[in-house]
Amino acid sequence: DTEVTQTPKHLVMGMTNKKSLKCEQHMGHRAMYWYKQKAKKPPELMFVYSYEKLSINESVPSRFSPECPNSSLLNLHLHALQPEDSALYLCASSQVVGSNYGYTFGSGTRLTVV
Amino acid sequence: QKEVEQNSGPLSVPEGAIASLNCTYSDRGSQSFFWYRQYSGKSPELIMFIYSNGDKEDGRFTAQLNKASQYVSLLIRDSQPSDSATYLCAGSNTGNQFYFGTGTSLTVIP
Repeated sequence: DTEVTQTPKHLVMGMTNKKSLKCEQHMGHRAMYWYKQKAKKPPELMFVYSYEKLSINESVPSRFSPECPNSSLLNLHLHALQPEDSALYLCASSQVVGSNYGYTFGSGTRLTVV
Repeated sequence: QKEVEQNSGPLSVPEGAIASLNCTYSDRGSQSFFWYRQYSGKSPELIMFIYSNGDKEDGRFTAQLNKASQYVSLLIRDSQPSDSATYLCAGSNTGNQFYFGTGTSLTVIP
């Protein structure tokens, strides 16, 4: 299995809703990441988990809350989002942080906040 | 200062030509470099990675790294319309952080 699986593929939520994005990989990778990508922009790093521990939080607002329940799963909990948070949210994994072999990306969740 | 810089393009080449995509980086301690292809609305897909000076070839793709000039490039030979996409250069720096360039939009004209 060489994939990173993200669910749901599309999500529309109101500003008062609570929702979660899910990411799963079974490649034995010990680093997992959340990225946010706006149209015609490169992905922006949000969070890095290394061996299930949060190692980098790129000054992301607290309305985004990551969770890594085990080495295969990564969640992103969303609460009280703003319309400007609408974007493609990408999960990625790598063997370890700083791997020479790059990251494998999931297909992303297209989030729309209304 | 951005870690990785790319010419955003757009770059247009005729079918069958060589497409040349370029990237410069600022951190001399950066170890590894990656080229990702991203089709509109899709996630980035790793095409090649390189961490040694020189050329690395994989099919129609050749990655080139020049650490003295802090320069990375991707050559696509015999370009096909299906190669039309945004190409993202990325680097891994001394802090084991991973930075994307802004991407270069490539259009291959049939």
